[in-house]
Amino acid sequence: KNEVEQSPQNLTAQEGEFITINCSYSVGISALHWLQQHPGGGIVSLFMLSSGKKKHGRLIATINIQEKHSSLHITASHPRDSAVYICAPRGSSNTGKLIFGQGTTLQVKP
Amino acid sequence: DVKVTQSSRYLVKRTGEKVFLECVQDMDHENMFWYRQDPGLGLRLIYFSYDVKMKEKGDIPEGYSVSREKKERFSLILESASTNQTSMYLCASSRYEQYFGPGTRLTVT
Repeated sequence: KNEVEQSPQNLTAQEGEFITINCSYSVGISALHWLQQHPGGGIVSLFMLSSGKKKHGRLIATINIQEKHSSLHITASHPRDSAVYICAPRGSSNTGKLIFGQGTTLQVKP
Repeated sequence: DVKVTQSSRYLVKRTGEKVFLECVQDMDHENMFWYRQDPGLGLRLIYFSYDVKMKEKGDIPEGYSVSREKKERFSLILESASTNQTSMYLCASSRYEQYFGPGTRLTVT
């Protein structure tokens, strides 16, 4: 079983829809990162969180440490949100080493 | 803004060649990483370094070595390139958040 499980693996939405991507992990962590990669593009860090909830614009990330679960929400989705979203918990050591989920490929249609 | 740069965006090498991929970061980060990204396999850690001259193997170190002589620079070396090392190579650095370079698409023919 993978240490990090993301769902769904693929997601197609209509513009304006509310989107949720889920991430479950089985290891102890110090923080969890959500990353974004546009087609043919580089990887950008969206959030790093260790508790509660963070919000940047239309994106919201939550984490429940006890349940070992995190979610990424996109409100009022737009075609430019089409990308791969990667959940990446960071282990308990101070090396910054991440454990990567397989990613969720999101396509938002106009 | 943190900047992580990689020496090449695209590289084509022949089987058996020694290949150097270089990564430079400008934020005085202790931790630096080399990953490869392949369709269907996601991101996999090759090597990481948590200080100058310190390195640890990641999940797929075979066929690779690294060098970190200065804090800002982390090099990935393919001692004898093989076709199965054709991939996208990504460097990253971090103190807390992880910052990625633009990637090097390496083709070994």
